[in-house]
Amino acid sequence: EVVLTQSPATLSLSPGERATLSCRASQSVGSDLAWYQHHPGQAPRLLIYDASNRATGIPARFSGGGSGTDFTLTISSLEPEDFALYYCQQRSNWPFTFGGGTKVEIK
Amino acid sequence: EVQLVESGGGLVPPGGSLRLSCSASGFVFSTYSMTWVRQAPGRGLECLSFISSSGGSLFYADSVKGRFTISRDNAKNSMYLQLNSLRADDTAVYYCARDSGDSFDRWGQGTMVTVSS
Repeated sequence: EVVLTQSPATLSLSPGERATLSCRASQSVGSDLAWYQHHPGQAPRLLIYDASNRATGIPARFSGGGSGTDFTLTISSLEPEDFALYYCQQRSNWPFTFGGGTKVEIK
Repeated sequence: EVQLVESGGGLVPPGGSLRLSCSASGFVFSTYSMTWVRQAPGRGLECLSFISSSGGSLFYADSVKGRFTISRDNAKNSMYLQLNSLRADDTAVYYCARDSGDSFDRWGQGTMVTVSS
């Protein structure tokens, strides 16, 4: 099973600041990595697929990068609605595992 | 508009059973693989089960293998998850999600399953 480790667990930032989230895989997943945003009580939302492609309707301030075992999600300038949980997920091998999540909270 | 709506959650005693349903609309259901994902209280997301568009390929996480069964009825635009031998650690919000081949691109709002006596 591919283990995804996300860091940091919590990121405390102010609106307008840049957020950089990390996801490290225990083995190579190529570019088969996605990022999701989750507000508690709501459905998770796909942000990035294939490591660097923005999903339909996702603002340009969200960008993804990396390949193999190291990936990043960057939010260039935080908007109030961006404070949420973020998960990475690999779809290279079953089970399609998720990382433990990074909480982006208001400082 | 793509919509996924889960139903069937509730309170069940340990050892009991439930059947969750996921009703799909707004897309050609029979052309997409589908999955079930859960989130236990205070925990992250866990992918439980996958079913291919035809229903011919089924995958399960080790944590539910032998206890949960995924199925679908393309004529009814619906997917199901039969939960048997439920345990306290199965308590979670259960989501259905559409698998686009490279990600889970649409999710339902989830249905809560509580396993408790």
